[in-house]
Amino acid sequence: NAGVMQNPRHLVRRRGQEARLRCSPMKGHSHVYWYRQLPEEGLKFMVYLQKENIIDESGMPKERFSAEFPKEGPSILRIQQVVRGDSAAYFCASSPGNYEAFFGQGTRLTVV
Amino acid sequence: GQQLNQSPQSMFIQEGEDVSMNCTSSSIFNTWLWYKQDPGEGPVLLIALYKAGELTSNGRLTAQFGITRKDSFLNISASIPSDVGIYFCAGRTDSWGKLQFGAGTQVVVTP
Repeated sequence: NAGVMQNPRHLVRRRGQEARLRCSPMKGHSHVYWYRQLPEEGLKFMVYLQKENIIDESGMPKERFSAEFPKEGPSILRIQQVVRGDSAAYFCASSPGNYEAFFGQGTRLTVV
Repeated sequence: GQQLNQSPQSMFIQEGEDVSMNCTSSSIFNTWLWYKQDPGEGPVLLIALYKAGELTSNGRLTAQFGITRKDSFLNISASIPSDVGIYFCAGRTDSWGKLQFGAGTQVVVTP
């Protein structure tokens, strides 16, 4: 039973480019959460999605960031016009809808 | 907003010693989760707690859900070198919503 799959593991983008991060939840999980982690810091909540719906985006920056979880396919976190401050590790977690959440290995975004 | 305080920030211990860390919240949580994160990896779920007063073990790990529902602790007994890493507490105020994370406790084990 595969775990939460995130790709790419590492992503390098120049300032002003777009970054697309993908997350495939565990089989049977319909809840997806995205978190951002800066070096030496904890995980900061960004957005919570269920299939085709954004449930809570209170941690998402108002501009340049968007997320989706379509009926078919992975969840996507999209960052437009990236800046150096977007460099971080982005983690996705999935849940079947009960209390537990399982994390992927993350995507390390570096903006040069 | 909700505050989740985790302590200590770091611990340097000798192999074989016990480790204890805790988290406190300004809000009532109905779920506490404990994760371990190794460098370059995602957090791995260690223990999940769902009821006030609940005490749960996973091998050498033991965690408790505080009776006030505002705190939780994690104990590691007889530490070994592979216990090195950062341990995070996380809590939820409802079954479906976001997890709030503590800042983490870095554990270093020396032989």
